[in-house]
Amino acid sequence: AQSVTQLGSHVSVSEGALVLLRCNYSSSVPPYLFWYVQYPNQGLQLLLKYTSAATLVKGINGFEAEFKKSETSFHLTKPSAHMSDAAEYFCAVSDSGRDDKIIFGKGTRLHILP
Amino acid sequence: EPEVTQTPSHQVTQMGQEVILRCVPISNHLYFYWYRQILGQKVEFLVSFYNNEISEKSEIFDDQFSVERPDGSNFTLKIRSTKLEDSAMYFCASSGTNEAFFGQGTRLTVV
Repeated sequence: AQSVTQLGSHVSVSEGALVLLRCNYSSSVPPYLFWYVQYPNQGLQLLLKYTSAATLVKGINGFEAEFKKSETSFHLTKPSAHMSDAAEYFCAVSDSGRDDKIIFGKGTRLHILP
Repeated sequence: EPEVTQTPSHQVTQMGQEVILRCVPISNHLYFYWYRQILGQKVEFLVSFYNNEISEKSEIFDDQFSVERPDGSNFTLKIRSTKLEDSAMYFCASSGTNEAFFGQGTRLTVV
C-alpha cells in the first residue's frame, strides 16, 4: 500500500532562511509524488509534481523538490522563505496520478518568523 | 483557467439530516473524487468515480455516503443521516491527465 510520511507537524523558519519540509514515501510501484499547499481557510493548491521525468522538480512560488529513489524521499525546499509562505503543506503519492486516488501525508504547518 | 467548483462553501445541518454537497468538475475530465479533512487533520480519500460508477472507496465511505453524477456536469456527495463526526471540510477533485485539481471545499458543520 502506498503511504507518505511527513517529518515534523510544525516547522518554523526565519524570513529569508532556507525552507526544508521532509517527505518519505512508500510505494510498490514507481510513484507519482506531489506537494500541495493549503492556505488558511482555502482549498488545496498543487505546488509541484513528480511523474518520472526529471528528478528535480520546480514548482510555483520558488519551491522545488527532489525525488531520491535510494532514500525514498521527496523533500520540499525553498532557498529563501517569505512571510506569505506560511501555510500547511501536504506531501502526497499516487500510482499514476490520474485514475488512482491520491494518498496524503499528515501535513506540515510552516511558520515564518519575522 | 478551468477550475473545480464546489457549492455551498459552508453548510450547517442538524444531526440526522441528509446533506448533498455539490461539485462541478472540469469539463473534459473523466475521473472524480471526494476527500475529507477533519479540522486539524490530514486530507483523507473517500471515493473515486469513473465511467458512472465508483472505482474505489475507503472504509470511511460507508452506507451513509453515496455519490452521483446526475446530469453529466455535476458530481454530488450525499450523506444520508449526518453524524457529529461528519463535520469536516469536503473536497471534490477531478483529473484528466496526471494531475488532480481540487475545489475550494465545502465546510460541513453538523450540530
